[in-house]
Amino acid sequence: GAGVSQSPRYKVAKRGQDVALRCDPISGHVSLFWYQQALGQGPEFLTYFQNEAQLDKSGLPSDRFFAERPEGSVSTLKIQRTQQEDSAVYLCASSLRPQGAKTYEQYFGPGTRLTVT
Amino acid sequence: KNEVEQSPQNLTAQEGEFITINCSYSVGISALHWLQQHPGGGIVSLFMLSSGKKKHGRLIATINIQEKHSSLHITASHPRDSAVYICAPSGGGADGLTFGKGTHLIIQP
Repeated sequence: GAGVSQSPRYKVAKRGQDVALRCDPISGHVSLFWYQQALGQGPEFLTYFQNEAQLDKSGLPSDRFFAERPEGSVSTLKIQRTQQEDSAVYLCASSLRPQGAKTYEQYFGPGTRLTVT
Repeated sequence: KNEVEQSPQNLTAQEGEFITINCSYSVGISALHWLQQHPGGGIVSLFMLSSGKKKHGRLIATINIQEKHSSLHITASHPRDSAVYICAPSGGGADGLTFGKGTHLIIQP
């Protein structure tokens, strides 16, 4: 079956531009996570959805970052007025079970590499 | 916040060697994930474990919940095992995974 897909795979934006990154989770997966991975670092949590509800957005670095999942499937991460420090790989992951289930496995997409010039 | 430490950060070994990567964390968790990331590639989940030991092919993962420590072992290592291996606890009050910085493994033929 299809895994998690993300688009675009690569995005170059000029500083100040707005960008939108898309994540298509595995069909039927309840939980969806966004992570940010800076060059040479491990990923960092950004936000978490259970179905269409955004239950945790504590990792979003500023109010320029906004995520939505209006129908509980596809999610979009939007970054407004991009800055150079936003350059990173943005990873999406989905999971069959809700957060809080004792154990759950996350399936990762290939990521979107964002470069802000 | 869960502090996750991995060691070593970098490891170069010869084909066939037994590899061990260690992970320690500071906060009680519900499970620990071992992930593999190839350069320019996505992340693949290798193991998710909450106790004891799991084995998949040449890979073995162990966890000691009381000591807050986990290890990933690779037996009969092969150049295709070259990748970044990341330890990521889940739970402990955090949504999502908390990631270690990763171990860069290179297996030379």
